Amino acid sequence: GAVVSQHPSRVICKSGTSVKIECRSLDFQATTMFWYRQFPKKSLMLMATSNEGSKATYEQGVEKDKFLINHASLTLSTLTVTSAHPEDSSFYICSAGTGLGELFFGEGSRLTVL
Amino acid sequence: AQSVSQHNHHVILSEAASLELGCNYSYGGTVNLFWYVQYPGQHLQLLLKYFSGDPLVKGIKGFEAEFIKSKFSFNLRKPSVQWSDTAEYFCAVTMNTGFQKLVFGTGTRLLVSP
Repeated sequence: GAVVSQHPSRVICKSGTSVKIECRSLDFQATTMFWYRQFPKKSLMLMATSNEGSKATYEQGVEKDKFLINHASLTLSTLTVTSAHPEDSSFYICSAGTGLGELFFGEGSRLTVL
Repeated sequence: AQSVSQHNHHVILSEAASLELGCNYSYGGTVNLFWYVQYPGQHLQLLLKYFSGDPLVKGIKGFEAEFIKSKFSFNLRKPSVQWSDTAEYFCAVTMNTGFQKLVFGTGTRLLVSP
């Protein structure tokens, strides 16, 4: 199947700093990518839909100024957690689709904010 | 708004036991239904999907699921589990207007003892 790669897989940062997570579709082009957040022992929560060449669409309750999403090309979307705080510590997962009705997920990125 | 509920949060089985994980969704329109699996330390992988047609869907690794429209259910089954099936299983749904954002259930953690 198609491959979606995330980088970094783990990141530790100090409170107040910003962290960028990349999501790449390695063998297909994705006009739309999705960013999820997974809380411990809970399900995946959709944060935003990333649209290539236009602004991301954020879900209700997600701060767009804190979670900046840029989808600059058909194979790359980035999520930047700005001025990170300990409560932003979580597992962030991206997904992308081939347009044939199936989504492929990245490996996830575990963010720890000290 | 759509929602997906998985009734079993934790399931413990012995090898060769049969498995059935419940999934119900709340949406009156046409939906696409998915089961994803997340093995320890790995990313989400698609087990099977239902878009239309035969409501009994067969997926990878011997899993199958049955879509019962009248019950808004899409239960996952496997006749005989293996130790390697230990993982977390997520049911997900999206409206039948493309592969847009998935709404996930809370997940079921399956532990298969040898």
